[in-house]
Amino acid sequence: DIQMTQSPSSVSASVGDRVTITCRASLGISTWLAWFQQKPGKAPKLLINDASSLQSGVPSRFSGSGSETDFTLTISSLQPEDFATYYCQQANSFPLTFGGGTKVEIK
Amino acid sequence: QVHLQQSGPGLVKPSETLSVTCTVSGASVSSYYWSWIRQPPGKGLEWIGYIHYSGSTSYSPSLKSRVTISLDTSKTQFSLKLSSVTAADTAVYYCVGYTNRRLDPWGQGTLVTVSS
Repeated sequence: DIQMTQSPSSVSASVGDRVTITCRASLGISTWLAWFQQKPGKAPKLLINDASSLQSGVPSRFSGSGSETDFTLTISSLQPEDFATYYCQQANSFPLTFGGGTKVEIK
Repeated sequence: QVHLQQSGPGLVKPSETLSVTCTVSGASVSSYYWSWIRQPPGKGLEWIGYIHYSGSTSYSPSLKSRVTISLDTSKTQFSLKLSSVTAADTAVYYCVGYTNRRLDPWGQGTLVTVSS
């Protein structure tokens, strides 16, 4: 199985801050990486697939980058609705695997 | 727009079989790999497996001995069965469509508690 390691596990930030979350794969996965946002009591929402392709309707303050083993999700200017938990997920091979999550909290 | 609606009991006794069903609307059943993912309370996401219209399945190695995913094309439904459950199987179970390496859309989630 491909292991996905996210960091940090949590981050405290203020509205307007730039937030960066990293995800590392245990094997090279090309750009087969997705990012999800999850709010309490809700299903995860797909934000980005193929490492950097923003899903329709997702604000442009979200961006993704990286390839092979190292990936980044950046929120350029944090908004109140962005406080949530974020997960990375590799789509290179089965079993699909997820990072442990990063909780973005209000500072 | 593709919509997934889940149904199933929220409480299962230890050693019994957990069963959750997902009804698909707005999409052809042949267009996706129909998947299940679970999330224990306060924890991360775990992929359980998928079934394709062709009948092919793939399961998580850690759950493979206890999992069955089936597809009823006439009802546009797919189902998860997990046998011999324990408290460790308490989780929110999500049905998800997977295509073009994208996990989307998701069902609303079903909290299944394993308790006597």
